[in-house]
Amino acid sequence: EPEVTQTPSHQVTQMGQEVILRCVPISNHLYFYWYRQILGQKVEFLVSFYNNEISEKSEIFDDQFSVERPDGSNFTLKIRSTKLEDSAMYFCASSGRVSGANVLTFGAGSRLTVL
Amino acid sequence: EDQVTQSPEALRLQEGESSSLNCSYTVSGLRGLFWYRQDPGKGPEFLFTLYSAGEEKEKERLKATLTKKESFLHITAPKPEDSATYLCAVRSNSGYSTLTFGKGTMLLVSP
Repeated sequence: EPEVTQTPSHQVTQMGQEVILRCVPISNHLYFYWYRQILGQKVEFLVSFYNNEISEKSEIFDDQFSVERPDGSNFTLKIRSTKLEDSAMYFCASSGRVSGANVLTFGAGSRLTVL
Repeated sequence: EDQVTQSPEALRLQEGESSSLNCSYTVSGLRGLFWYRQDPGKGPEFLFTLYSAGEEKEKERLKATLTKKESFLHITAPKPEDSATYLCAVRSNSGYSTLTFGKGTMLLVSP
């Protein structure tokens, strides 16, 4: 069964450092997403991406965050200068379409720990 | 703003003891209600999508139902492998492609 692959599974970084989280979405999917889950809290939407541009973003997704699809297979989330409150599990997801039976398939997540 | 509230926060069942999980929602035009299962340290795994009041879907021991204000996930004769956190999420007219999640119900099924 097709799956969304995320790397690294766990990253520890110092406050103020840049981190890049990587995702390989399902190959024939067109829509890509990042969500995050702070320990013990809800899964929260960060950003959606379609046709090489951001289609929607939440208030969380400020200027410290950026996304990119550098090639035909990878989708990345960059945090420019990490803060303690960025510590969370970051989930990448992809879907085949937006309307109708649009089911998001999530990856296993990348746990980010900011010290 | 879309809101999703799940109850109970945690539920402990004996194997074979059926029960239901609740998801109440407030949205500006429901475009879909989703149930996901999440195991510890893993990403959400899709279970069901429901679109209109009265709709029902089943998969093995799970059955999801939908009304205009809430959804139920019924678990019949659960097994220990059904232990997980069950997440409810909605897509509405206020967020073209986004899902708004509830906090989830942590289910523990004891043998």
